[in-house]
Amino acid sequence: DAGVIQSPRHEVTEMGQEVTLRCKPISGHNSLFWYRQTMMRGLELLIYFNNNVPIDDSGMPEDRFSAKMPNASFSTLKIQPSEPRDSAVYFCASSPYRVLSPYGYTFGSGTRLTVV
Amino acid sequence: AQTVTQSQPEMSVQEAETVTLSCTYDTSESDYYLFWYKQPPSRQMILVIRQEAYKQQNATENRFSVNFQKAAKSFSLKISDSQLGDAAMYFCAYRSPPGGTASKLTFGTGTRLQVTL
Repeated sequence: DAGVIQSPRHEVTEMGQEVTLRCKPISGHNSLFWYRQTMMRGLELLIYFNNNVPIDDSGMPEDRFSAKMPNASFSTLKIQPSEPRDSAVYFCASSPYRVLSPYGYTFGSGTRLTVV
Repeated sequence: AQTVTQSQPEMSVQEAETVTLSCTYDTSESDYYLFWYKQPPSRQMILVIRQEAYKQQNATENRFSVNFQKAAKSFSLKISDSQLGDAAMYFCAYRSPPGGTASKLTFGTGTRLQVTL
């Protein structure tokens, strides 16, 4: 099992550019989560999917952020246009979805985004 | 909404000694799950230990154990025989049981643990 795979590991972009972060969850995990980590705000849940369907996107900061999960093995988080305040580490995590099962998440290695 | 509080921004422990990291949470639910995650400088989030709220027995994983006090809504992590590799940021997290949409993890702000020789 290769774990949750995120790409790229690092991304540096100029303000105003479009940024796309990618995630491949663990095979068989049907819940997928996008988190953002900053020093000021800690770990914030942006959005999560169950069975490829977005369940809760209330954490998405604004319309510049969008996320998709076209199939069970791939998700993207897009920021357009990017701003310096979007600089953070973005984590993708996946989990089985089972009632009465105490699953935590398996996290990817994260993408460190720097917007200059 | 559930909240998770870690009141110790930083802790320090000598190698081979024992340290306890504190976590409290607020919830109106009776059934839920609690976790401790470790984040070393590599930034990888690693699950350390988990606890189901309906279990009275405290979870243990090798040198890591928890003290779960449901009535007090407290969930502390004890690390025994501390090693240099334990140095990391530790996050306490709360999760409602899967059902409907309440499946997300809510994290505390973290405790940075230093291990000294």
